[in-house]
Amino acid sequence: AQSVTQPDIHITVSEGASLELRCNYSYGATPYLFWYVQSPGQGLQLLLKYFSGDTLVQGIKGFEAEFKRSQSSFNLRKPSVHWSDAAEYFCAVGANTGNQFYFGTGTSLTVIP
Amino acid sequence: DTGVSQDPRHKITKRGQNVTFRCDPISEHNRLYWYRQTLGQGPEFLTYFQNEAQLEKSRLLSDRFSAERPKGSFSTLEIQRTEQGDSAMYLCASSTDRRGYTGELFFGEGSRLTVL
Repeated sequence: AQSVTQPDIHITVSEGASLELRCNYSYGATPYLFWYVQSPGQGLQLLLKYFSGDTLVQGIKGFEAEFKRSQSSFNLRKPSVHWSDAAEYFCAVGANTGNQFYFGTGTSLTVIP
Repeated sequence: DTGVSQDPRHKITKRGQNVTFRCDPISEHNRLYWYRQTLGQGPEFLTYFQNEAQLEKSRLLSDRFSAERPKGSFSTLEIQRTEQGDSAMYLCASSTDRRGYTGELFFGEGSRLTVL
């Protein structure tokens, strides 16, 4: 069965510190992988995506993620967190053939001064 | 391209009433999705349209829920006889199967439903 696991429900980091949010997936075919960010009361904004090629992908707002097939992981990273990065982050797996998008339960990020 | 828009943004209703949400996708997108999101959870798939055809419905979509996309453009999600458990954010997303596109979803800002 297809699924996405985000093991960290909540993470707190200091402004300027590095960040890594974990995502593990289970998917029968070659996955398309996504990270979305959601600010309170808002919809989801795409940060980055992986569908083929270089396993290290760059996204908006200075985020990057690395696809590791052997570990079924797609962890999100940022070298230096800004206070404005505080939000909920969702990992998702899917295919471009239609409806099969599965989201994790999210990781809430708090940034302290 | 004005993005995905949803209306209303907030709806408060009494239990037993009917509510309807509207979604206008990005104009050239032929795929449209409805998701439900409750507090502390990720989006849960409700239903999916390819043009005007509703191709899949989740088991979450009980008989009280109905969705339409009559001309393959905007969509409506209606909930009849609302229950307190229907309180959630209802998210609409659109996408396209245009050649070379990787199929990511573009989300609207959601319609928050509170059932009293």
